[in-house]
Amino acid sequence: RKEVEQDPGPFNVPEGATVAFNCTYSNSASQSFFWYRQDCRKEPKLLMSVYSSGNEDGRFTAQLNRASQYISLLIRDSKLSDSATYLCVGNTGGFKTIFGAGTRLFVKA
Amino acid sequence: DTGVSQDPRHKITKRGQNVTFRCDPISEHNRLYWYRQTLGQGPEFLTYFQNEAQLEKSRLLSDRFSAERPKGSFSTLEIQRTEQGDSAMYLCASSLRDREAFFGQGTRLTVV
Repeated sequence: RKEVEQDPGPFNVPEGATVAFNCTYSNSASQSFFWYRQDCRKEPKLLMSVYSSGNEDGRFTAQLNRASQYISLLIRDSKLSDSATYLCVGNTGGFKTIFGAGTRLFVKA
Repeated sequence: DTGVSQDPRHKITKRGQNVTFRCDPISEHNRLYWYRQTLGQGPEFLTYFQNEAQLEKSRLLSDRFSAERPKGSFSTLEIQRTEQGDSAMYLCASSLRDREAFFGQGTRLTVV
């Protein structure tokens, strides 16, 4: 089983839609979690950290469920510019930083 | 520019040749990571350093791969006797302890 698993998608949604991605992790020692965004042929860039209490940044909301070992990302009012691959990341107590394979999102006009 | 920088950005090499990539992390970051990414996949962990110590190396990394981080500053990743399967984007990232990692723009390797 992979340490971090994501639905690869692709998710095809119209502009203005709300879309949610989930990510599961297998290592219960994982302590830090992040969502990254990666555009085609570019490096990953940090989108947001994920906290146990949940956190929101504009149209983006991230949540962590330690009991079920998953994290989620919700995007509201999708924009064309949100089209990208979204990578979830788990950090096992400061050691390896493990990436999921990514979920592709296409937002259509 | 105070971000992570990688050099070269692109490298084309013949099979069997050795290649070396360089990564300069954000100056105050004590952790440095190397990842490999192929099309349609997420970044795959290769190895990581805390200061100058290489603390973990992926089982996926064959003996042809070696990484160093002398003096805990820049790092190099060397691939000996390259194979076509080594063609990928090699990404370097740095972080301060277990905080979020910041990536360089990567080195795209093509082995012909």
